[in-house]
Amino acid sequence: AQKITQTQPGMFVQEKEAVTLDCTYDTSDPSYGLFWYKQPSSGEMIFLIYQGSYDQQNATEGRYSLNFQKARKSANLVISASQLGDSAMYFCAMILARGTYKYIFGTGTRLKVLA
Amino acid sequence: DADVTQTPRNRITKTGKRIMLECSQTKGHDRMYWYRQDPGLGLRLIYYSFDVKDINKGEISDGYSVSRQAQAKFSLSLESAIPNQTALYFCATSGWSSGNTGELFFGEGSRLTVL
Repeated sequence: AQKITQTQPGMFVQEKEAVTLDCTYDTSDPSYGLFWYKQPSSGEMIFLIYQGSYDQQNATEGRYSLNFQKARKSANLVISASQLGDSAMYFCAMILARGTYKYIFGTGTRLKVLA
Repeated sequence: DADVTQTPRNRITKTGKRIMLECSQTKGHDRMYWYRQDPGLGLRLIYYSFDVKDINKGEISDGYSVSRQAQAKFSLSLESAIPNQTALYFCATSGWSSGNTGELFFGEGSRLTVL
């Protein structure tokens, strides 16, 4: 069965440091997409970054990059130069491109950036 | 105005009451989804719809029903609310078009408390 696993319920990082949030996924479908979302304390869901299963290069969006290791089935989010505003819940999600177009989510990692 | 709008944003109700959460979107997307978020459990899919004639159950559909009144409107009903349906509910849409990666676009969320 398809599954997303985030093993870090909570993390701390010092301001201006880099941090990696872990995500592993499980699917037998060769075509899929991986997403990261940020949820600040205000509750809204903010799309950060996307990686397609056939993309050769790791996705980057500003201070966010996705460390995609297909053989390991991992899609870790790297935030460089952490800022206080990065404190939030982060969710990893997957879509199976063929078939149902269902999106499944991990349980999230709460990141706290320390001044 | 938000592209995906949910009403109400907050609701407190009593056990046994019927509740409807409404969602409307201006993105022109065909696919619409209802998720619930619980602490430690991430986002779980309740129902999803690919057009007005296509409704599908997600992983936790028991106790819920939906209606796709139009392409832009997708409502979630709790016929007889119970306390363990207390959660944050999100409506989301997706659609493939130039410039997007197929990511989900979320409403602001509806916080439901069942006493």
